[in-house]
Amino acid sequence: GEDVEQSLFLSVREGDSSVINCTYTDSSSTYLYWYKQEPGAGLQLLTYIFSNMDMKQDQRLTVLLNKKDKHLSLRIADTQTGDSAIYFCAEALAGGATNKLIFGTGTLLAVQP
Amino acid sequence: DVKVTQSSRYLVKRTGEKVFLECVQDMDHENMFWYRQDPGLGLRLIYFSYDVKMKEKGDIPEGYSVSREKKERFSLILESASTNQTSMYLCASSFLSRGGQETQYFGPGTRLLVL
Repeated sequence: GEDVEQSLFLSVREGDSSVINCTYTDSSSTYLYWYKQEPGAGLQLLTYIFSNMDMKQDQRLTVLLNKKDKHLSLRIADTQTGDSAIYFCAEALAGGATNKLIFGTGTLLAVQP
Repeated sequence: DVKVTQSSRYLVKRTGEKVFLECVQDMDHENMFWYRQDPGLGLRLIYFSYDVKMKEKGDIPEGYSVSREKKERFSLILESASTNQTSMYLCASSFLSRGGQETQYFGPGTRLLVL
């Protein structure tokens, strides 16, 4: 079946690193995504990783993918108060004219000053 | 920059009303999607469309219909709104690249309250 799980909350202090974890069940996923949602707003794409990659780094963001364990993580270095938001991971399942995105429930990141 | 706009940020409707949620994208994307977002449930796909006049049911289509008469516009219709359709509705658009990568770009969302 298709299922993506995330913990609901994460609280960190400003300047620390944040690690948001995600597990998924479908091994046929092609790409995995991280989206950020600020209060009252839509989802903004942060980064994505191809399922054949182990790691992707983009400035303060590091994505790690363990395909064997079906585990994805997003590390935010030097977390700032502006990083406070809900973070969604999503796996893309190939299918016809469009991929199907399966979203996790989202992790609320609270950054304490 | 991709722009996805939704006609309303907030809507208040009464039970039984017909409700239209409009979404417009300016990037000539083939694919468009409607999701609803509820606390603890993440995003759930209601309907999607991969071409003009084409539509496919998502995971929770009951109580909804859609219309795609033009490529840039995708409408979600609640034929007879009910209180359990109170939610945040998110529209997205995308195109599928030859390499299989497809990024969905989201609108700002419409918060619908059905009384």
